[in-house]
Amino acid sequence: QQQVKQSPQSLIVQKGGISIINCAYENTAFDYFPWYQQFPGKGPALLIAIRPDVSEKKEGRFTISFNKSAKQFSLHIMDSQPGDSATYFCAASMQRGGGNKLTFGTGTQLKVEL
Amino acid sequence: DVKVTQSSRYLVKRTGEKVFLECVQDMDHENMFWYRQDPGLGLRLIYFSYDVKMKEKGDIPEGYSVSREKKERFSLILESASTNQTSMYLCASSSPGRAYNEQFFGPGTRLTVL
Repeated sequence: QQQVKQSPQSLIVQKGGISIINCAYENTAFDYFPWYQQFPGKGPALLIAIRPDVSEKKEGRFTISFNKSAKQFSLHIMDSQPGDSATYFCAASMQRGGGNKLTFGTGTQLKVEL
Repeated sequence: DVKVTQSSRYLVKRTGEKVFLECVQDMDHENMFWYRQDPGLGLRLIYFSYDVKMKEKGDIPEGYSVSREKKERFSLILESASTNQTSMYLCASSSPGRAYNEQFFGPGTRLTVL
């Protein structure tokens, strides 16, 4: 059972463009929604995260948009750069009762072309 | 700088062999996790541990076992390796109360079972 659905599986964006990755979740008990970034040969690392009491969070060129009623959230990368080429995973977690576990989406391989 | 290390980056084993994957963290984290990463399937949780000698099954525990004799070390064991266990294996650790249940990942072990 896929509790967090992520799309697209792969994405090619021109340098300077906007990259958008979408996720949808099913379990309304989730209350943490992080995004992880993974470069080739490395493990994933936390990029940005949001709680469901806000609709948007921005850190530099990275923005999470959150729609609680639709149970959807998305990552926007503004002014995409070749250095942003990586695999991105959305995830969901529970502050209490979940044991610090993360449920990950299936990942999006982003390539930013010159 | 926080660090999670995994014993091997690449490993090739034969079908039926017993395989040990080792993970060590230097952050004094209570929680440790083993995932496997496959294209199109994302990160799937195999086992996790909240404390020394404690372990709990994740989403795909079949064919695997774990051992945690010391706080800093978490081992994944394939009792009898099979070709469908060819994958990238990622270890992670976290601490209760960490913002967004952030997990810190090792670089991964790419296991090939022939």
